[in-house]
Amino acid sequence: QKEVEQNSGPLSVPEGAIASLNCTYSDRGSQSFFWYRQYSGKSPELIMFIYSNGDKEDGRFTAQLNKASQYVSLLIRDSQPSDSATYLCALRSGGYQKVTFGIGTKLQVIP
Amino acid sequence: EAQVTQNPRYLITVTGKKLTVTCSQNMNHEYMSWYRQDPGLGLRQIYYSMNVEVTDKGDVPEGYKVSRKEKRNFPLILESPSPNQTSLYFCASTTSLDYGYTFGSGTRLTVV
Repeated sequence: QKEVEQNSGPLSVPEGAIASLNCTYSDRGSQSFFWYRQYSGKSPELIMFIYSNGDKEDGRFTAQLNKASQYVSLLIRDSQPSDSATYLCALRSGGYQKVTFGIGTKLQVIP
Repeated sequence: EAQVTQNPRYLITVTGKKLTVTCSQNMNHEYMSWYRQDPGLGLRQIYYSMNVEVTDKGDVPEGYKVSRKEKRNFPLILESPSPNQTSLYFCASTTSLDYGYTFGSGTRLTVV
């Protein structure tokens, strides 16, 4: 089982809709969780991090963490064509000095 | 401007010819890391460093070397590149692993 699992997509949503991106992980000791956005040909850019169970909101973005079910999700409200990118889920496993990434989900926002 | 600078951006080389990809950060970050990104495999960690003279292997260290002689620099060395090292490489740094990495612009390496 991969440490971080994401559906590669593409996930297509109409402009103005809510995009929901999901990620599951295998290590129950994981303690810090991250969402990055990567435009084609560019480097990953940190959107949000979350440590505690529940929701964390930042503008149009909401990260959700459920440690009991071992998943983390990212909601993008009022999706815009400029949100079209690959979204990478990442985590830091407890006690380890490394950050592991999923393969990313490609999001397409259709005008 | 706070940034992670990688050079070169693009590199085509031949099998067996030693090369170095440089990485420098101006944010006084303790942690630095190298990742490679391949289609269908995502970002995989090659090596990381917790501070000067402290480095450790990531998930795919074979064929790579690193050094951390100064806090700001973390070069990636391929002593004898092979075609399976053709990839997109990213350097990243952070002051804390719980805050997320800042990535450089990437180096696209082709080994022929």
